[in-house]
Amino acid sequence: RKEVEQDPGPFNVPEGATVAFNCTYSNSASQSFFWYRQDCRKEPKLLMSVYSSGNEDGRFTAQLNRASQYISLLIRDSKLSDSATYLCVVTLNTGFQKLVFGTGTRLLVSP
Amino acid sequence: DVKVTQSSRYLVKRTGEKVFLECVQDMDHENMFWYRQDPGLGLRLIYFSYDVKMKEKGDIPEGYSVSREKKERFSLILESASTNQTSMYLCASGGGNAEAFFGQGTRLTVV
Repeated sequence: RKEVEQDPGPFNVPEGATVAFNCTYSNSASQSFFWYRQDCRKEPKLLMSVYSSGNEDGRFTAQLNRASQYISLLIRDSKLSDSATYLCVVTLNTGFQKLVFGTGTRLLVSP
Repeated sequence: DVKVTQSSRYLVKRTGEKVFLECVQDMDHENMFWYRQDPGLGLRLIYFSYDVKMKEKGDIPEGYSVSREKKERFSLILESASTNQTSMYLCASGGGNAEAFFGQGTRLTVV
């Protein structure tokens, strides 16, 4: 079983739609959680951290469910510029803090 | 702004060549990472360094070595390049429970 699993998509949505991605992780000792965004042929960049209490940044909401071992990302009022791959990331303490990436979920927002 | 710079955007090397990929960061981060990214497999950790001259194997270290002689510089070495090492290589610094910053990536083709 992969340490971090995501639906690869693509998710095709029209502008203005609400879209949600889920990500599951296998190690209950995972400590920190993030969503990264990666544009085509570019490097990943941090979108937001995910806290136990959930957090919101504008149109983006991230939530963590430790009991079920999944994190989610909700995007409201999708824009064309939201088209990208969204990477779920968890950290594991394996003697050092190891970042483990999911394979990413591709989002395509169309006019 | 944090900057992580990789020495080359594109490289073409021959099978059997020794290949050096250089990465420099300017934020005095302790942690530096080398990943490779392949379609359907996501980002996989090759090596990690948490201090000068310190290194740890990641998930796929075979065929690679690393060097960290100065805090700001982390080099990835392909001892004898093979075609299955054709990939996108991404260097990152920071990490742990904090944000990881990525370089722009090096697309390596081994022919």
